[in-house]
Amino acid sequence: NAGVTQTPKFQVLKTGQSMTLQCAQDMNHEYMSWYRQDPGMGLRLIHYSVGAGITDQGEVPNGYNVSRSTTEDFPLRLLSAAPSQTSVYFCAVISGNTIYFGEGSWLTVV
Amino acid sequence: GQNIDQPTEMTATEGAIVQINCTYQTSGFNGLFWYQQHAGEAPTFLSYNVLDGLEEKGRFSSFLSRSKGYSYLLLKELQMKDSASYLCAVRGSSGGYQKVTFGTGTKLQVIP
Repeated sequence: NAGVTQTPKFQVLKTGQSMTLQCAQDMNHEYMSWYRQDPGMGLRLIHYSVGAGITDQGEVPNGYNVSRSTTEDFPLRLLSAAPSQTSVYFCAVISGNTIYFGEGSWLTVV
Repeated sequence: GQNIDQPTEMTATEGAIVQINCTYQTSGFNGLFWYQQHAGEAPTFLSYNVLDGLEEKGRFSSFLSRSKGYSYLLLKELQMKDSASYLCAVRGSSGGYQKVTFGTGTKLQVIP
């Protein structure tokens, strides 16, 4: 996972709170994504970006917001947390024919 | 859209060979990934296939048939540490070249 830094690793939120998951890369690659992983559901794409200033929705974008002001950073914002957003979140950077994942963020919404 | 199917669980014996299948239906295809994921960890890269055929990397091999929408991951000389989930993912052309869709994963248990 060298080159993809994701924070925080663990977080507990109350319903209605907002928070931002941070993702930073030092590989200077254009393509970054956010996935969530739930038991039995696999990795589902939330949002992705093909470069600074360009983002698009994945399969499950509702309740999440992203921006890409620089190549290095791709934060994921939960606007008003809901228990359904309890999940493990992974940031991913695509470099050529390899996807590099961050270490994951375990989020619990109570 | 994209639909990816793989078995939910498999069990195999240490030292044996196991084949994990993946079938997909996509509106466009630009390559297929296999990833390994141990519990509580991030996925790690195993292979990437874009052309038909078999690619071998040590104990792991991956096969692709684009005409059949089919791939498999072959693990030889199984070791206990191979107990993990194996994720198949397709890079499509629909929605962008870098939009990668994952299957639900196959949980492999290696028993002594």
